[in-house]
Amino acid sequence: EAQVTQNPRYLITVTGKKLTVTCSQNMNHEYMSWYRQDPGLGLRQIYYSMNVEVTDKGDVPEGYKVSRKEKRNFPLILESPSPNQTSLYFCASSLRVGVVGTEAFFGQGTRLTVV
Amino acid sequence: QKEVEQDPGPLSVPEGAIVSLNCTYSNSAFQYFMWYRQYSRKGPELLMYTYSSGNKEDGRFTAQVDKSSKYISLFIRDSQPSDSATYLCAMSIRPPGNNDMRFGAGTRLTVKP
Repeated sequence: EAQVTQNPRYLITVTGKKLTVTCSQNMNHEYMSWYRQDPGLGLRQIYYSMNVEVTDKGDVPEGYKVSRKEKRNFPLILESPSPNQTSLYFCASSLRVGVVGTEAFFGQGTRLTVV
Repeated sequence: QKEVEQDPGPLSVPEGAIVSLNCTYSNSAFQYFMWYRQYSRKGPELLMYTYSSGNKEDGRFTAQVDKSSKYISLFIRDSQPSDSATYLCAMSIRPPGNNDMRFGAGTRLTVKP
């Protein structure tokens, strides 16, 4: 089954404790990205990756890091989480960039609470 | 002013009603317009996709784009309880998959049996 898998689904952590949210896709997609979803603000892009070893900042990258060492995996790293990073996070992947009709597949989401 | 405005609702309709969901936007450079459906505790899934102005129909769903008014709509005919979800509009200047996609905040729809 084609899917984007995020882990964990739920996470409560304390301020300053480094964490990683994993994302893996089994569709051989080139493009992967991370979003956060907050009430009233919609989905906002954090980071994206065009392919292996190619990553770039989205609209709200502060406080986040990513890496793309393998095509299937795109982890999101919070080096020193703060309460304003409490949010619902989604990983998404698309076959490739620039192809009209390419569908973005979203993961199930990770609800992160930073206390 | 947000680039994409969407009434958050909530919107509640009886089964069988015609539902109209709308978004307005400020950036006239947007060319690609999408509607996503997001069930509770799930990720968004692409529902409809249109390029530039015009209509597109898929079963009970019709997407309309009016670029002159910077206004897009999603119509759901014969709405079903299974249509209960949050609907997100999204738009981009370049084909989706680039980093310029902008999402509305989502409209929460409930279809009552």
